[in-house]
Amino acid sequence: GAVVSQHPSWVICKSGTSVKIECRSLDFQATTMFWYRQFPKQSLMLMATSNEGSKATYEQGVEKDKFLINHASLTLSTLTVTSAHPEDSSFYICSASGTSDYEQYFGPGTRLTVT
Amino acid sequence: SQKIEQNSEALNIQEGKTATLTCNYTNYSPAYLQWYRQDPGRGPVFLLLIRENEKEKRKERLKVTFDTTLKQSLFHITASQPADSATYLCAPYNFNKFYFGSGTKLNVKP
Repeated sequence: GAVVSQHPSWVICKSGTSVKIECRSLDFQATTMFWYRQFPKQSLMLMATSNEGSKATYEQGVEKDKFLINHASLTLSTLTVTSAHPEDSSFYICSASGTSDYEQYFGPGTRLTVT
Repeated sequence: SQKIEQNSEALNIQEGKTATLTCNYTNYSPAYLQWYRQDPGRGPVFLLLIRENEKEKRKERLKVTFDTTLKQSLFHITASQPADSATYLCAPYNFNKFYFGSGTKLNVKP
């Protein structure tokens, strides 16, 4: 149990375009979802926390207008990278937690490359 | 601000030995601390969670200790195997969020 999927697993887009990444909890209801980004050989950096039906809470330094997060249901959250630039190229990972805040389950990640 | 430190240098050990990884944190007091394994190009996989009132937690070949006075957690893998080679991340839990250390890469040589 506790499976989280992400789609797509990798995406290449041109500079200036927008990209949407989906995160789904397949076998449980996720009251909270987290979005992270990870650069090569670096740790996961928390970008934002989203709760179903409410606005996401962004970490300091993360542009909320650039990284749009929608948590439309208890099983789906989306991250849209708007007007992507090469410096947005990274590994984006989501995680989801259910009834226990301290348990989170990670998706397999999405590799974004902006050319 | 919170700071989490893990040894950035890779840990190289021989198969069968015990691997010990260290996680130090400063400027906060987490109620929980988790350890994850991450393979290249993959999301982290949960291994163990330890609470602040627990000194030690075990799961099969894994053992985690949590010293809230030293602000340190140790992660042990006994009888290590080449399949244990991966990056291990610690994540102290604070303010309803987990913040991750940079991870330590473990290489187990046959």
